[in-house]
Amino acid sequence: AQTVTQSQPEMSVQEAETVTLSCTYDTSESDYYLFWYKQPPSRQMILVIRQEAYKQQNATENRFSVNFQKAAKSFSLKISDSQLGDAAMYFCAYNRGNFNKFYFGSGTKLNVKP
Amino acid sequence: NAGVMQNPRHLVRRRGQEARLRCSPMKGHSHVYWYRQLPEEGLKFMVYLQKENIIDESGMPKERFSAEFPKEGPSILRIQQVVRGDSAAYFCASSPGSRNEQFFGPGTRLTVL
Repeated sequence: AQTVTQSQPEMSVQEAETVTLSCTYDTSESDYYLFWYKQPPSRQMILVIRQEAYKQQNATENRFSVNFQKAAKSFSLKISDSQLGDAAMYFCAYNRGNFNKFYFGSGTKLNVKP
Repeated sequence: NAGVMQNPRHLVRRRGQEARLRCSPMKGHSHVYWYRQLPEEGLKFMVYLQKENIIDESGMPKERFSAEFPKEGPSILRIQQVVRGDSAAYFCASSPGSRNEQFFGPGTRLTVL
């Protein structure tokens, strides 16, 4: 069964600094997709970044980038130049592809200190 | 293009009552997924529906829970005879099917007294 593990329940970062959130997953599939979602206090789920497993190049979206290590089944999120608005819960998610459900990790609460 | 709509945003029920949660997918999306988020936890898959069909209900509790996505109108998640353990946030996500991406609604927070 697919599982997604986020081992950091909570993290803190100083404004303008860089922080990395960890995620590992377990799967026997070779093709799959990985995602990071942000959930602010409003509870709206916002897609931050996605990665296709068949792509070797790490995905990047402005200040957000991932370090995807397929062999190690690791998918970490790096947030550069952290801003106060980045404070939220961050969830790592996995799915096997289109028409398939997501598996979510338990989340990491990110605090950003001014 | 309006996003995924869910209503009500907050729902309070007493034990034993029924809860009906509605989800209107984004325009043009025919795939709907329901997830449940218990306090301090991540989202857990419940059910995946296409118009008039349940595709995957592997995450649905065996009793009291049902879901539908009729040809016309929103998708409905129905919980009969609610218990305190049903208190959670219920999220709906829709997908166009042509691309592996799910767009989430704002969720319905169910509180069972």
